[in-house]
Amino acid sequence: LAKTTQPISMDSYEGQEVNITCSHNNIATNDYITWYQQFPSQGPRFIIQGYKTKVTNEVASLFIPADRKSSTLSLPRVSLSDTAVYYCLVGAYGGSQGNLIFGKGTKLSVKP
Amino acid sequence: DTAVSQTPKYLVTQMGNDKSIKCEQNLGHDTMYWYKQDSKKFLKIMFSYNNKELIINETVPNRFSPKSPDKAHLNLHINSLELGDSAVYFCASSLGTNEPYEQYFGPGTRLTVT
Repeated sequence: LAKTTQPISMDSYEGQEVNITCSHNNIATNDYITWYQQFPSQGPRFIIQGYKTKVTNEVASLFIPADRKSSTLSLPRVSLSDTAVYYCLVGAYGGSQGNLIFGKGTKLSVKP
Repeated sequence: DTAVSQTPKYLVTQMGNDKSIKCEQNLGHDTMYWYKQDSKKFLKIMFSYNNKELIINETVPNRFSPKSPDKAHLNLHINSLELGDSAVYFCASSLGTNEPYEQYFGPGTRLTVT
């Protein structure tokens, strides 16, 4: 499974757009990129997933360049409630590879 | 309607004891998981069960034994508890493993071994 690198922490203010970049230089052909969000004292929650180009849902956008060696999670107009740890995961699926490998995550602090 | 539930939420016990954590999902998922999150917040997978069969065991000590009475339940039994077992344990479930299905996590069980 590909190793991921992301910033340990980021600060932002309410209403701003936040972009968190994750590096995964050793990503394999059949790997997907998934982002999870974790609030204190809660389990991680799925945010978004993609394989290439751009994916958008009601919560965030995920940008993946053609070489797929990095990805950027974009949170539009963050609020105080977006303060959480964000994990970037890269992995394949199928057979015994259904596990997720969580890295250290990025602690996002949104200030008023 | 809680999708993935765990009991208890908090568990305080002494070294050497045996304890169990229960997990139930009402999503109709085929795969369930146990994760351990230590004090440094690293989240590591311990086990996964697909249709009641163990498919992953990430070199967890054999003091830990997952038990799945049916597809909706995956309990975690821990023998001879040690101080290093103190952590938050999360249960999760997904539709399966053959597609990049999202995982749904429970609220966690905070285990403290004294």
